[in-house]
Amino acid sequence: DADVTQTPRNRITKTGKRIMLECSQTKGHDRMYWYRQDPGLGLRLIYYSFDVKDINKGEISDGYSVSRQAQAKFSLSLESAIPNQTALYFCATSVPTGTSGPLGTGELFFGEGSRLTVL
Amino acid sequence: GQSLEQPSEVTAVEGAIVQINCTYQTSGFYGLSWYQQHDGGAPTFLSYNALDGLEETGRFSSFLSRSDSYGYLLLQELQMKDSASYFCAVRDSPWAGSYQLTFGKGTKLSVIP
Repeated sequence: DADVTQTPRNRITKTGKRIMLECSQTKGHDRMYWYRQDPGLGLRLIYYSFDVKDINKGEISDGYSVSRQAQAKFSLSLESAIPNQTALYFCATSVPTGTSGPLGTGELFFGEGSRLTVL
Repeated sequence: GQSLEQPSEVTAVEGAIVQINCTYQTSGFYGLSWYQQHDGGAPTFLSYNALDGLEETGRFSSFLSRSDSYGYLLLQELQMKDSASYFCAVRDSPWAGSYQLTFGKGTKLSVIP
């Protein structure tokens, strides 16, 4: 089983609909992230959370909201989906860099992705 | 803000060596990471450089020069399975109060027979 699980893996919806993408992890990591990937644009950070009580906006948070329901769960919501939110969405986790020493890699562990199409 | 530049596409022959460069302009710097992503798959971590120099992991090596704001990923003895996109990513300085990663746009590597 995957350590970082995203649901749904694929979703087609219509403009104006509310969509929730869910992420759960069994890695025991405190830090969780939502990224968006568009062709030719790489990965861009939407929101991140360093623990259950901590939520931070990333580079492209407009039009999105998140909920950290538990250490292991981090959900991304699109309150009113629009076509330019069509993209591949990735959830990721990491340990704090200090956990593995001052030169800790801060490695991100990604889920398999959720492909969202907004018509 | 952060800005990373890497080539969009690279083609190399099976068995050869290829270098993928990454230059960055950042307000803070804590390290440079590299990730690999096969088509339809999730990005996976390859390497991390916090200090100047070369880090080697099997066929892959990564280099960093902080004075030049430059790094590269070196892939040796290329195999067909190395065909993928490769992303460099910069980590904010911890003194900026953030541990975010900012990713480059990725380099699509095609390995040909």
